[in-house]
Amino acid sequence: EIVMTQSPATLSVSPGERATLSCRASQSVSSNLAWYQQKPGQAPRLLIYGASTRATGIPARFSGSGSGTEFTLTISSLQSEDFAVYYCQQYNNWLLTFGQGTRLEIK
Amino acid sequence: QVQLVESGGGVVQPGRSLRLSCAASGFTFSSYGMHWVRQAPGKGLEWVAVISYDGSNKYYADSVKGRFTISRDNSKNTLYLQMNSLRAEDTAVYYCAKDPRFLEWLFPAPGDYWGQGTLVTVSS
Repeated sequence: EIVMTQSPATLSVSPGERATLSCRASQSVSSNLAWYQQKPGQAPRLLIYGASTRATGIPARFSGSGSGTEFTLTISSLQSEDFAVYYCQQYNNWLLTFGQGTRLEIK
Repeated sequence: QVQLVESGGGVVQPGRSLRLSCAASGFTFSSYGMHWVRQAPGKGLEWVAVISYDGSNKYYADSVKGRFTISRDNSKNTLYLQMNSLRAEDTAVYYCAKDPRFLEWLFPAPGDYWGQGTLVTVSS
């Protein structure tokens, strides 16, 4: 099983500032990496797939980068609606796995 | 628009069974693979199972293999998860999610649309 490790567990950032979230895979997943956003009481929403491609309707302030074992989600200028929990997920094989999540909170 | 509505959750005793359903609308259900993903209270996401668009291929997480069965009825636009030998650690909100690829099944893909989930509580 590929283990996904996200850091930090909690990130405190002020509105308007940039947030950088990290995700590391225990072995290479190529570019088969997705990012999701989840708000309290809601289902996850797909933000990024293929490590860097924004899903339909996702604002340009969200960007993803990386390949192999190291990945980053960057939110360029935080809006109030962006404070949530973010998960990465690898889909490089048929045993898909998620990271434990990063909580993005208002500073 | 794509809509996924889960049902069938509830309180069940350890060792018993439960079947979840996911009713799909707004897209050609028979052309897309489907996932089940769960989330224990206050915890992160755990992928559970996936099924191909025609139901001929299925994969499971190790934690549920041999106990859970994913299936689909394309004539009813419905996805199922049969859960047997339930344990306390199966307590979670169960989400269904749609694969984004049309009539493709060579490689895995993330879920692009998700339902709102149904809560399963395993407790005596």
